[in-house]
Amino acid sequence: DAGVTQSPTHLIKTRGQQVTLRCSPKSGHDTVSWYQQALGQGPQFIFQYYEEEERQRGNFPDRFSGHQFPNYSSELNVNALLLGDSALYLCASSLAGLGQNIQYFGAGTRLSVL
Amino acid sequence: AQRVTQPEKLLSVFKGAPVELKCNYSYSGSPELFWYVQYSRQRLQLLLRHISRESIKGFTADLNKGETSFHLKKPFAQEEDSAMYYCALSGGGNQGGKLIFGQGTELSVKP
Repeated sequence: DAGVTQSPTHLIKTRGQQVTLRCSPKSGHDTVSWYQQALGQGPQFIFQYYEEEERQRGNFPDRFSGHQFPNYSSELNVNALLLGDSALYLCASSLAGLGQNIQYFGAGTRLSVL
Repeated sequence: AQRVTQPEKLLSVFKGAPVELKCNYSYSGSPELFWYVQYSRQRLQLLLRHISRESIKGFTADLNKGETSFHLKKPFAQEEDSAMYYCALSGGGNQGGKLIFGQGTELSVKP
């Protein structure tokens, strides 16, 4: 089991562009959460997907959107990129129900906005 | 407001010394508390959760609801404990699954 996989590992974009990050959950998991981790900070919850729907959302603008596919993989889209969007984006997967708080993290995608 | 505070950005101890990483939280309700750890060049992983009440790698953490704290302790630190430690909380019910993290404490264990 490869665990949670994220792609790409690194990405460089310019202000105003759009970006899509991808995540494949750990085998057997059905829930995917996304976090943003700025340098020197702890991860911040963006949103969570379960059964192809956004189940919870953190304090992020509508520029941040996502999707979950029938195979439980997920995408994070960010439109109109700002310099402040530069961060490490982490995907975490879990099993709905009693296991929802036991989250397995991917290695992350480092996004640089120039 | 839901918040997790880790007052120390860096904690440096010598091998064999006791270690305590502090975590305080603010949450209206009954949260579930966790400690996550990130070793060098590895991904973030769960170390322990308060409801398990278990010791992992010699670490323990007790939830003190009166002081709203969940400090992580180990009586004798080892060099391999050097890592970044994050305290996190999650609400129950339909708030479950949303982890709120502290800023993290870097633990450095010197030989």
